[in-house]
Amino acid sequence: ETGVTQTPRHLVMGMTNKKSLKCEQHLGHNAMYWYKQSAKKPLELMFVYNFKEQTENNSVPSRFSPECPNSSHLFLHLHTLQPEDSALYLCASSRSTGGGTGELFFGEGSRLTVL
Amino acid sequence: GESVGLHLPTLSVQEGDNSIINCAYSNSASDYFIWYKQESGKGPQFIIDIRSNMDKRQGQRVTVLLNKTVKHLSLQIAATQPGDSAVYFCAENTGNQFYFGTGTSLTVIP
Repeated sequence: ETGVTQTPRHLVMGMTNKKSLKCEQHLGHNAMYWYKQSAKKPLELMFVYNFKEQTENNSVPSRFSPECPNSSHLFLHLHTLQPEDSALYLCASSRSTGGGTGELFFGEGSRLTVL
Repeated sequence: GESVGLHLPTLSVQEGDNSIINCAYSNSASDYFIWYKQESGKGPQFIIDIRSNMDKRQGQRVTVLLNKTVKHLSLQIAATQPGDSAVYFCAENTGNQFYFGTGTSLTVIP
């Protein structure tokens, strides 16, 4: 059982839909991340939360809206997405965001397809 | 921005042979490096890490080598097995951020 759980694993939505991705970590970590993984591209950092506070927004369009109610849960709210937003969205956690705090633990990802 | 690249996008090896996957990084201030393995349909899994005060670190069947002079990182897998078939990518940590390479797809030929 992974320490980072993502739901749903697969999501198909139209451009006018509103949906949410959920991430939960059971590792007692304080930092959580959203990454976008597209084919043949490096992982793209989207958002970082440390102790529930957003510390990084990597110029992500406003149609992606993160929410971090506590250190164990992270959401990504999706609204009026574009087909080019189709990708694997990975959630990760780490002990903290400070340098050298150890590796990122990833969930299995949510495969998003925007029609 | 950061540039973390892999020398080869694909690598095929015979089962039982050793595999070497390479990675170049650009930021000499990076102080922590990780290799991840990603199997099809799954999230990245930690394999091994190394800090910048080390040149070599060994795990079970895997060794990571760090050459800070040329900003090069490599992952060696001994006695490669079919279960090692996956995409491998490196990550470097600078400050509060991780930067990832695009990945090398390793195929193990039985």
